[in-house]
Amino acid sequence: DTGVSQDPRHKITKRGQNVTFRCDPISEHNRLYWYRQTLGQGPEFLTYFQNEAQLEKSRLLSDRFSAERPKGSFSTLEIQRTEQGDSAMYLCASSFRGEAQPQHFGDGTRLSIL
Amino acid sequence: AQKITQTQPGMFVQEKEAVTLDCTYDTSDQSYGLFWYKQPSSGEMIFLIYQGSYDEQNATEGRYSLNFQKARKSANLVISASQLGDSAMYFCAMREGNTGNQFYFGTGTSLTVIP
Repeated sequence: DTGVSQDPRHKITKRGQNVTFRCDPISEHNRLYWYRQTLGQGPEFLTYFQNEAQLEKSRLLSDRFSAERPKGSFSTLEIQRTEQGDSAMYLCASSFRGEAQPQHFGDGTRLSIL
Repeated sequence: AQKITQTQPGMFVQEKEAVTLDCTYDTSDQSYGLFWYKQPSSGEMIFLIYQGSYDEQNATEGRYSLNFQKARKSANLVISASQLGDSAMYFCAMREGNTGNQFYFGTGTSLTVIP
């Protein structure tokens, strides 16, 4: 069990640029989640996959955000035309299906918009 | 309304003492799950303990126990025999429903253990 892996750890980009983050979940887990966390706040749900199907998206997720999980393994989160307010830590988590199953988190990708 | 409320932004505890971190939740679902996570300064979120809404016994995991009061909708985390390594942010989270896909997190409590 190598844990949830996220890449890159840090991303600095200029406003208006597109960015893409990658998440490799724990291999046996069929559920994958993306969260955003800003300073002093708890993680905020963005979207969720069960296998390759994106089953839920937060209403807070603008059209500039898109996520994929091809083949039900790794996932990517893309932010187009980045804005200052997108600066945050983006966390990925994975879990087994089941109500008592906790989510296992990666170390996150910290995005800074210049 | 907030799904998860953590009213203690910061807490201090003497090493080897016990500390209680408060969490209240808001849901109309009969089935839900409550989780506590620890986030050290290094940033990773570490799962600590789980309590299901139908569990009659309070959950325990080593030095962690969950004081679950369903009628009050509270799920307080108790850490016994605090250690310096317990200094971190602590988040309470809730999953609603039998197959709830979203986890709602509180704003966290920063715990500092004093030697």
